[in-house]
Amino acid sequence: SQQGEEDPQALSIQEGENATMNCSYKTSINNLQWYRQNSGRGLVHLILIRSNEREKHSGRLRVTLDTSKKSSSLLITASRAADTASYFCATDARSGNTPLVFGKGTRLSVIA
Amino acid sequence: DTGVSQDPRHKITKRGQNVTFRCDPISEHNRLYWYRQTLGQGPEFLTYFQNEAQLEKSRLLSDRFSAERPKGSFSTLEIQRTEQGDSAMYLCASSLQGNDNEQFFGPGTRLTVL
Repeated sequence: SQQGEEDPQALSIQEGENATMNCSYKTSINNLQWYRQNSGRGLVHLILIRSNEREKHSGRLRVTLDTSKKSSSLLITASRAADTASYFCATDARSGNTPLVFGKGTRLSVIA
Repeated sequence: DTGVSQDPRHKITKRGQNVTFRCDPISEHNRLYWYRQTLGQGPEFLTYFQNEAQLEKSRLLSDRFSAERPKGSFSTLEIQRTEQGDSAMYLCASSLQGNDNEQFFGPGTRLTVL
């Protein structure tokens, strides 16, 4: 079963706009990771945020984590057509390198 | 370091046939994971290895599925007597123990069972 739920399921924006995707999960976590997947391809690791962190930045990406609400958000600023992909959050519910539990993903379309 | 590789990238087979997929992890990574992803869903965990030891198997992994990692390097996933419901993308990932469980994925093997 899947732990996380991304919201919205699909998002369509114009190039240059910001895109925000949310992820909710059910159980306590060790950390939370965001991945990108282009159609029919493997997953690309974007960013990892630990349970004791609240915000993290990487380039145009900003991730927040609220463990009290069991939720995370991924913000992509100044979006580009190349950002078009599915975005997944994945949680690590136990310590010690265990399998990740993924949500169903958000399909982002950036229109040039 | 060329990342995680998987072979083949695509496999079409007839129901009832056996198929085997291979995964080569990042060379220094001692953990290797197999996931399955169906259309419109996120990846679901199947099994994982630490070195050559298979440490956990999901209940999704029926007795028709078997995975090995004989020398702690590459891994194979075999599906016997394939069924149409086995059609999916099979993803392999690897990680370095203790590295926050940051997993790096291969391009996947897309299986179509006719």
